[in-house]
Amino acid sequence: GQNIDQPTEMTATEGAIVQINCTYQTSGFNGLFWYQQHAGEAPTFLSYNVLDGLEEKGRFSSFLSRSKGYSYLLLKELQMKDSASYLCAHNTGGFKTIFGAGTRLFVKA
Amino acid sequence: NAGVMQNPRHLVRRRGQEARLRCSPMKGHSHVYWYRQLPEEGLKFMVYLQKENIIDESGMPKERFSAEFPKEGPSILRIQQVVRGDSAAYFCASSPPGTSGRRNEQFFGPGTRLTVL
Repeated sequence: GQNIDQPTEMTATEGAIVQINCTYQTSGFNGLFWYQQHAGEAPTFLSYNVLDGLEEKGRFSSFLSRSKGYSYLLLKELQMKDSASYLCAHNTGGFKTIFGAGTRLFVKA
Repeated sequence: NAGVMQNPRHLVRRRGQEARLRCSPMKGHSHVYWYRQLPEEGLKFMVYLQKENIIDESGMPKERFSAEFPKEGPSILRIQQVVRGDSAAYFCASSPPGTSGRRNEQFFGPGTRLTVL
């Protein structure tokens, strides 16, 4: 089967670092995505990992371990505007992308 | 280059009516996906289409729901005889051709919020 687990909610302080974890189970794998979605808006692409390791892009980094079925999104120097839902998703090897339920991040002053 | 466009942005229907949701993919994109999102839930895959073909409709309810992506014009998600449980945000996404087996980033439209009274 195909399943994605990520925490429902997280709270962090402005300027801090937060790590959002995601575990997945799938019979086919062709990459792991992270999307950001602000309330009432469309998801926007953040990162893509297909090989093990860390991908860094500015304040955001994403890590993948295929053998463990595990990924995390790391957000540094948190800003208030980072308050949003973060969706972990994987591509199953075709064109189908399976999304997790998302982690709602609240950034407080 | 305009992004993915969806209309209407908000749609209100009474139970039993039909809802038609439209999606125009980004220019040059030939793959279209439809997702449904209930409040405070993740995106649920519904259907994946290419021009004139349904490739994967494993997420579509068996009854009342249909989708098409004609040679000309937007992709249409059609819901017949709507019920209150159909109230949700419906997002369309598109991706360019030639991404099979590699990165398959999807670009999302702003969504259509369907409310069934």
